[in-house]
Amino acid sequence: DTGVSQDPRHKITKRGQNVTFRCDPISEHNRLYWYRQTLGQGPEFLTYFQNEAQLEKSRLLSDRFSAERPKGSFSTLEIQRTEQGDSAMYLCASSLAVRLAGGSYEQYFGPGTRLTVT
Amino acid sequence: TQLLEQSPQFLSIQEGENLTVYCNSSSVFSSLQWYRQEPGEGPVLLVTVVTGGEVKKLKRLTFQFGDARKDSSLHITAAQPGDTGLYLCAGVSDSWGKFQFGAGTQVVVTP
Repeated sequence: DTGVSQDPRHKITKRGQNVTFRCDPISEHNRLYWYRQTLGQGPEFLTYFQNEAQLEKSRLLSDRFSAERPKGSFSTLEIQRTEQGDSAMYLCASSLAVRLAGGSYEQYFGPGTRLTVT
Repeated sequence: TQLLEQSPQFLSIQEGENLTVYCNSSSVFSSLQWYRQEPGEGPVLLVTVVTGGEVKKLKRLTFQFGDARKDSSLHITAAQPGDTGLYLCAGVSDSWGKFQFGAGTQVVVTP
């Protein structure tokens, strides 16, 4: 399977604990995105990388959130001191940094990690 | 502020009926994508449109990109229960480098 994978699929944690999620993008994709999605809403952009460089972080992103992509391949998203408001689906997506032959950018999503903070 | 506005927010129809969902913005996109998402899963890419006025068909689904590349529509003919899901549009522009999503249209098709 050469799609985007995420681990774990589900995480239940107690308020105040730290959690870390992993994303493995499509191997030839050099851009990697993290999103957060709550029920019935579209994905909300958190941050994205091109290779190992973090190019942008959402202004809405708390300092408790940090993401890394140390070797330009997989990425991790860590949430420190979790709060109940952090409960959501965390989605990872990957894409190429250049247009495809047809002139488009395309991103592909993983299955997501469902976080529940109790 | 939502850069991409999707309408309607929710749509419930009977099997066999047609439906159209809309994605509108004041911004120009270099390309726009449509996804379908089922509960507990990540969005699945359906189509990408690039050229203003472009129309793409995927079986019973017809996608159109506005001439000015600011809006798009998705039309489903003879909807089936398997079409149920959250339909998301996402646009990207060269100046952003990232994708902007709409809030989605929840479609429910009942037998």
